[in-house]
Amino acid sequence: SQQGEEDPQALSIQEGENATMNCSYKTSINNLQWYRQNSGRGLVHLILIRSNEREKHSGRLRVTLDTSKKSSSLLITASRAADTASYFCATPYTDKLIFGTGTRLQVFP
Amino acid sequence: DTGVSQDPRHKITKRGQNVTFRCDPISEHNRLYWYRQTLGQGPEFLTYFQNEAQLEKSRLLSDRFSAERPKGSFSTLEIQRTEQGDSAMYLCASIKDGWANYGYTFGSGTRLTVV
Repeated sequence: SQQGEEDPQALSIQEGENATMNCSYKTSINNLQWYRQNSGRGLVHLILIRSNEREKHSGRLRVTLDTSKKSSSLLITASRAADTASYFCATPYTDKLIFGTGTRLQVFP
Repeated sequence: DTGVSQDPRHKITKRGQNVTFRCDPISEHNRLYWYRQTLGQGPEFLTYFQNEAQLEKSRLLSDRFSAERPKGSFSTLEIQRTEQGDSAMYLCASIKDGWANYGYTFGSGTRLTVV
């Protein structure tokens, strides 16, 4: 079974708006990662946040981590049509990554 | 180095046939992973190698599936007697030991359709 659950399953927004997606996980972690997947392609690593960090930024991405609630959020600011993709959170577990169910983001021009 | 390469990109096969996929990881990455992804779901772990040693196999990997990584370089994933339920995207990823904090590098995947 998969480690994480993501919310919402699908999100549609207009260009320029912000997109927020959430991830919950089940076990203790030492880091949490976010990946993007364009339709029919492989996954691309976006950002990693360590368990001792609460917030991390990378360009238009902001990730938060709340280990007490076992949850993380990914915020994409000023979204673009090119951000249209599926986004997955992933946590390491015994030398492998366990992925969440993903959020499908659609950004309309 | 151009990243992780997977071949073929697409494969259509008849039920009962055998198929083999290949993954070429980034050359200095000693860990190689195989994942399976069905439509609308996240990738599910199948197996991984550290160098040439296969260290873990998921319960998803039935006895019809076999993976190899001879000489610790490229890897192959073979599915024997394919079934319609094997239709999925098969993803390969690699990483260098000790670099787990930098994320995995994925290939573009092989999409298998069993008809």
